[in-house]
Amino acid sequence: LAKTTQPISMDSYEGQEVNITCSHNNIATNDYITWYQQFPSQGPRFIIQGYKTKVTNEVASLFIPADRKSSTLSLPRVSLSDTAVYYCLVVSNTGFQKLVFGTGTRLLVSP
Amino acid sequence: DTAVSQTPKYLVTQMGNDKSIKCEQNLGHDTMYWYKQDSKKFLKIMFSYNNKELIINETVPNRFSPKSPDKAHLNLHINSLELGDSAVYFCASSQGINLDGYEQYFGPGTRLTVT
Repeated sequence: LAKTTQPISMDSYEGQEVNITCSHNNIATNDYITWYQQFPSQGPRFIIQGYKTKVTNEVASLFIPADRKSSTLSLPRVSLSDTAVYYCLVVSNTGFQKLVFGTGTRLLVSP
Repeated sequence: DTAVSQTPKYLVTQMGNDKSIKCEQNLGHDTMYWYKQDSKKFLKIMFSYNNKELIINETVPNRFSPKSPDKAHLNLHINSLELGDSAVYFCASSQGINLDGYEQYFGPGTRLTVT
């Protein structure tokens, strides 16, 4: 599975849009990009998954350029409750699913 | 209406003891997992079971023995506990084992402290 690299931490204020970029230079053709969110003292929670271009759901948007070597998780108008660790993962479309978590990005949203 | 539940939430024990953590999911999923999150917050998969059969074993010491009595349960038994076993253990489940059932649902975690 491709290794992912993302910023260790980010700061934002309520109401702002937050973009967290993840690089995965060695992503394979069968790989998808998945993002999870983890609040303190809780288990991770699935946010969004995509293969290319743009994916949007009620929580976030995921932008993946044509070369798929990076991806950007976009959180619109963050609130204090969005303070969490965000993990970018690469998952394969073949074989057994195994989530390999990196260090994640610790997002702190301030008033 | 808990999806993935774990008991106990906290577990404090002494070195050398044997302990178990239970996990249950009511989502009807076929695949269950155990993850370990250490003090540095690194989250790493330990085991995965699909329809009660072991499919992933990530070089975990033999002291750790998962048991899946049925698809809805995956328990983790740990023998001869060591200080380094102190961590938060998360149970998770997913509908399948490939991308069609990719989304994993995590439990609230069990914080194990070995003294």
